Order: sequence, then structure tokens, then C-alpha cells
Amino acid sequence: EAQVTQNPRYLITVTGKKLTVTCSQNMNHEYMSWYRQDPGLGLRQIYYSMNVEVTDKGDVPEGYKVSRKEKRNFPLILESPSPNQTSLYFCASSLGIDRVAGYTFGSGTRLTVV
Amino acid sequence: ELKVEQNPLFLSMQEEKNYTIYCNYSTTSDRLYWYRQDPGKSLESLFVLLSNGAVKQEGRLMASLDTKARLSTLHITAAVHDLSATYFCAVDNFAGKSTFGDGTTLTVKP
Repeated sequence: EAQVTQNPRYLITVTGKKLTVTCSQNMNHEYMSWYRQDPGLGLRQIYYSMNVEVTDKGDVPEGYKVSRKEKRNFPLILESPSPNQTSLYFCASSLGIDRVAGYTFGSGTRLTVV
Repeated sequence: ELKVEQNPLFLSMQEEKNYTIYCNYSTTSDRLYWYRQDPGKSLESLFVLLSNGAVKQEGRLMASLDTKARLSTLHITAAVHDLSATYFCAVDNFAGKSTFGDGTTLTVKP
């Protein structure tokens, strides 16, 4: 089944403890992106990647890191999480930014930082 | 900075009535998307609109795009309870940057 897989689905952590949220797609998509969703704020883009080894900042990149060493994986790294990073996170992918297709979203990761 | 505004943010609808959600965006964009999100779920792609005058329809939903006015509409015909969800519009450019609206929460009541 074609899908975007995020792990974990739920995570409670403490301030300052480094964590990684994984994202993997099995559709050979070139483009991948991370968003956070907060009540009343819609989805805001954190980082995106047009292809392997190419990443760029979205609107809210502070406090996050990403890497794209393989086409299928696009992990989101929080080096020192803070309570204001408590949110619902979504990973998404598409064939390529120049192609006609909506994004395929993962199931989401609900992160709580205490 | 690209801004996307949806209205209304909340819409309580009666079954069998017609309604429209509006999506305005601030600068020229390459594509406009509509997504649906059910409570506690992920987002599902509904439509991708590429060019001025583009119209797409799926069941009771029809989306259109006016690039000159920087406006997209999502029209709901004869609403049914199954359409209750939050609908997002989003725009992106060929550089990969994407911006979402705040979403419109639809509730369809008998």
C-alpha cells in the first residue's frame, strides 16, 4: 500500500531531551515536507526537501533540524525540545513539486513536551 | 510573505442546502490545493487546481480557481452529514514552499 509512515504516533517527552520523529514513504516521491498543526493556526511548514540532500526552511524552522540522506526517509529532529513545540506534526510527500498531484500525508505525530 | 485566508472559519450547514467556502491568497502562486481533515485524522487530498478558470468536481464538491482575483472557491451542493469535516486550502510554488489556510470547519445538521 502506498503510504507515508510516521513514528511514533504519540510521544511525551521532557524539555531538553533530544528526539527524532521518523517519516518514510514508499512511493518514490521526490518531495517531502514537515508541518505542525496547532489549534486555530492551520498547518505551518517547518522544513521541506525537493530531493535527496536538498532541504530548505519553511515558515517555522526554529528549533528543528531535518536530513534527507535517502529518498524515502525524512526525519525531523528536535535537538532540545521546549514546551512551545508541543503540537501535532505531519509529514507529507509528493511525486515532485513540478508535477500535478496533491500531497500524501502521514497519520501524524502528537508530541507533548513537559 | 504568502498569506492564505479562508472564510468562513466555521460553517454550520443544513442538509440539502448549498454553501461556498472562499480561499484568498496574497501573491501569485503556482498551484492551489484543497484538503479534507476528519477529527483526529490526517489530511486527504481533494483537488489540485493549476490554472485560471480551472474547475474540478467530485461528488457534491466543486472547486474553482480565479488566479486574477487570487481566489478559489469550494462549493458544496446539497450538503450531507458525511461532508462534516475541516477543509483546508493551500498554495505552493515550484520552489517547494507551501502555505495553508487556517481551515474551515463544516458541520452539517439534519
